Amino acid sequence: GIQVEQSPPDLILQEGANSTLRCNFSDSVNNLQWFHQNPWGQLINLFYIPSGTKQNGRLSATTVATERYSLLYISSSQTTDSGVYFCAVTQAAGNKLTFGGGTRVLVKP
Amino acid sequence: ETGVTQSPTHLIKTRGQQVTLRCSSQSGHNTVSWYQQALGQGPQFIFQYYREEENGRGNFPPRFSGLQFPNYSSELNVNALELDDSALYLCASSKLGQGGPSGTEAFFGQGTRLTVV
Repeated sequence: GIQVEQSPPDLILQEGANSTLRCNFSDSVNNLQWFHQNPWGQLINLFYIPSGTKQNGRLSATTVATERYSLLYISSSQTTDSGVYFCAVTQAAGNKLTFGGGTRVLVKP
Repeated sequence: ETGVTQSPTHLIKTRGQQVTLRCSSQSGHNTVSWYQQALGQGPQFIFQYYREEENGRGNFPPRFSGLQFPNYSSELNVNALELDDSALYLCASSKLGQGGPSGTEAFFGQGTRLTVV
């Protein structure tokens, strides 16, 4: 099956810093989503981005489907950005999401 | 518009028992998928229900079973619980088109944290 790898696995940031999270996938996809998992376990939708670039406030994402990767940018990080960020993909066969291992982000004040 | 809701939020069961978890899909959605997330790992796909039938299954044994109801809500049943079944169980809803499965955005509930002792 498709493999999804996220890097880095852990990230420690000083409040106000910028960062880039990467998601590589091993095969073509028809959907890619970025999520933020809060401390209570809920997955919060950040972006639905099978291709192209989107921005939402301090967050933006870019997916280059032909090169099989996606990037999530966090600018001017805040302590509330702490948590685990997951990317997940689906392939044409259905809507099953395959998740990467996540990037654990800690933003220090 | 109501979001995805799951119940209960926490549950403690004894090894060998059976458990039922419930999920109400987001308004307008017709598909429910279930995921298991072990501590420190990404969620793993268990199965998906579309039009009240199983529409894909991950690498989970038959003691994991499910149902989807006419109102698109769903249940996950796990029989003969094992210690390794302790995990966060997440439900996601989405909307698949009349032509069959295609890429659509999935939305998750808050999860049910199951502890098997």
